[in-house]
Amino acid sequence: ETGVTQTPRHLVMGMTNKKSLKCEQHLGHNAMYWYKQSAKKPLELMFVYNFKEQTENNSVPSRFSPECPNSSHLFLHLHTLQPEDSALYLCASSQDNLAGGPSNEQFFGPGTRLTVL
Amino acid sequence: KQEVTQIPAALSVPEGENLVLNCSFTDSAIYNLQWFRQDPGKGLTSLLLIQSSQREQTSGRLNASLDKSSGRSTLYIAASQPGDSATYLCAVFMDSNYQLIWGAGTKLIIKP
Repeated sequence: ETGVTQTPRHLVMGMTNKKSLKCEQHLGHNAMYWYKQSAKKPLELMFVYNFKEQTENNSVPSRFSPECPNSSHLFLHLHTLQPEDSALYLCASSQDNLAGGPSNEQFFGPGTRLTVL
Repeated sequence: KQEVTQIPAALSVPEGENLVLNCSFTDSAIYNLQWFRQDPGKGLTSLLLIQSSQREQTSGRLNASLDKSSGRSTLYIAASQPGDSATYLCAVFMDSNYQLIWGAGTKLIIKP
């Protein structure tokens, strides 16, 4: 496997379900990101992890819960979602700059298409 | 607050034409600007990255320019092909909060 992988690629869930999205990067990066992409809207940054520590949480509802057990894996745990949460969820990674701050170029996974019924 | 705008939202041209996609941003304090390509239902592929100190970058038939002072970037595609059909997104990386701010994209259709 190379690059950034995401599973599952498609997910349909009810509002009372609990599910998790998984992202894995094989690039040796140490920063990882979750983005939400809704139709015809700009990508929205949800969470950022640098060296496994969460550094950004852009006012994301608590029904989305990220987990970063190591620098190669990132999860997004979902529970009691709403239909408006249906979107493409994209994971990305980048090589952090040891002098401070995430690096510039981000590499993206293929995304998980989530539908909430 | 940084805002990134891409015009037009959609563009359809015949195969073989040269074309230009536009991206504008309101805050010139950017670290760099990236152009991405997204195929339907798929993730993003980075095409070109221009550092704030650079004026342009080229890769094959693609050329991206950056005019930081006027808050504009263009993506030039030469001799367009049907395989170029995709949504093209630009994003600026901010010095202030180390985040990518995205445009909504231009959906490009190249007609055979």
